[in-house]
Amino acid sequence: EPEVTQTPSHQVTQMGQEVILRCVPISNHLYFYWYRQILGQKVEFLVSFYNNEISEKSEIFDDQFSVERPDGSNFTLKIRSTKLEDSAMYFCASSETGGFTEAFFGQGTRLTVV
Amino acid sequence: SQQGEEDPQALSIQEGENATMNCSYKTSINNLQWYRQNSGRGLVHLILIRSNEREKHSGRLRVTLDTSKKSSSLLITASRAADTASYFCATVDNTDKLIFGTGTRLQVFP
Repeated sequence: EPEVTQTPSHQVTQMGQEVILRCVPISNHLYFYWYRQILGQKVEFLVSFYNNEISEKSEIFDDQFSVERPDGSNFTLKIRSTKLEDSAMYFCASSETGGFTEAFFGQGTRLTVV
Repeated sequence: SQQGEEDPQALSIQEGENATMNCSYKTSINNLQWYRQNSGRGLVHLILIRSNEREKHSGRLRVTLDTSKKSSSLLITASRAADTASYFCATVDNTDKLIFGTGTRLQVFP
C-alpha cells in the first residue's frame, strides 16, 4: 500500500537553529499539507500546497516557516529560527484530490527544540 | 476558525463493549472524516462521510452525521484492546484543509 514517508523520525535542535523536515508524498497525489501536534494537544493545520504554491496557511505559519517542493517527490517544511514552542510532532499529508478525499498522513517527525 | 469538539475527552471500556464518540462542529461542511492515532504515531484515516449522507458503515465502525445539529458520532462495536487509541474527527469545508477536533482517548481493557 502506498504511504507517505517522513524523515527524520526525531530531530533535536538548539533554539535559533534552522531545521528542515522532509516528506515524500504518495506519487500521484497533488495536494500536500503540513500539520503539527504539540504533545497531548490537538492536531493543528499549518499549510496546504498545490500546484507549486501555498493554497492556504494558518496563523501559526508565520515568516519563520516555509515550504518547498524542490523536486518531483519531496515536500519540505523549513523552520528558519526555531523556538522552544516549536517543539511538536509535525505531520505531512497528501491527498489525491484535496480535502474531498481522505488524506494520507506520514508517521510524523518529532521535533525537540532545546 | 471552524473546530470540532469531541466528547467525551476520555473513555474507558471493557473488551466486547461498544464505544461511542461524538463530534460537534461550527460551520457548514463538505464532509467529515474520522481518524485514529496510536500513541505517538501517525494519523490513520478511518472513514469519510459526506454532507449529504446520514450514516456510513465500515467493518465494526458506524458513523452518523446530523448536519442540522452539526454533529457526528463514531460507534465502534465489539471493541478490542487493539482499538485503544485517540480518535479525531476532522471537517472539510469549502477550503482545502482538514480541521481536526480535540480528540477522544479510548482505552479498552482486556
